[in-house]
Amino acid sequence: DAGVIQSPRHEVTEMGQEVTLRCKPISGHNSLFWYRQTMMRGLELLIYFNNNVPIDDSGMPEDRFSAKMPNASFSTLKIQPSEPRDSAVYFCASSLYSNQPQHFGDGTRLSIL
Amino acid sequence: AQTVTQSQPEMSVQEAETVTLSCTYDTSESDYYLFWYKQPPSRQMILVIRQEAYKQQNATENRFSVNFQKAAKSFSLKISDSQLGDAAMYFCAYRRSGGGADGLTFGKGTHLIIQP
Repeated sequence: DAGVIQSPRHEVTEMGQEVTLRCKPISGHNSLFWYRQTMMRGLELLIYFNNNVPIDDSGMPEDRFSAKMPNASFSTLKIQPSEPRDSAVYFCASSLYSNQPQHFGDGTRLSIL
Repeated sequence: AQTVTQSQPEMSVQEAETVTLSCTYDTSESDYYLFWYKQPPSRQMILVIRQEAYKQQNATENRFSVNFQKAAKSFSLKISDSQLGDAAMYFCAYRRSGGGADGLTFGKGTHLIIQP
């Protein structure tokens, strides 16, 4: 069974550009999570969805960040406009039910120049 | 808000020896889950072990076991017979129980070095 799939694996872009990160959760999982990992702040929850509905976006840093889940098999995290401080590894994770462990994708390493 | 603290930024152990990684957490909830995740240099996040707070028995997965002390809000990970492949960052994580899905709160991590 395929795991959580994230793309791209690496992204390098210039400040001010729009960045879109993509995630395909494990088939059948009904919860999806976006995390950000930086040296300074560690791993932080940005937003999560349950049955494609955003439940808690309190971790989204500012209005430049937005996330969508148009269907059960796809989610995007968008940054517009991007800034150098957005450089981080962004993880997507999914779980089957609320009491089941979260399975992580391999992450996207984002570098904003 | 819940917090997770890992007080050991780095630990080193000889191959085949036993090492214990510490984790404490703060919560007002009575039911929750605790996890240890491993992150090797490949940056994958790999679930090592999971503990439900309502279970008194400590979880065990092969060479990995936990010491869960609910009253003390402590959740340490013991790795027995350490192997070179165990070298990684280890993150302790908390998630409340009940209701819908909820995100994980992570500690800052412990960098585990295995000396051959």
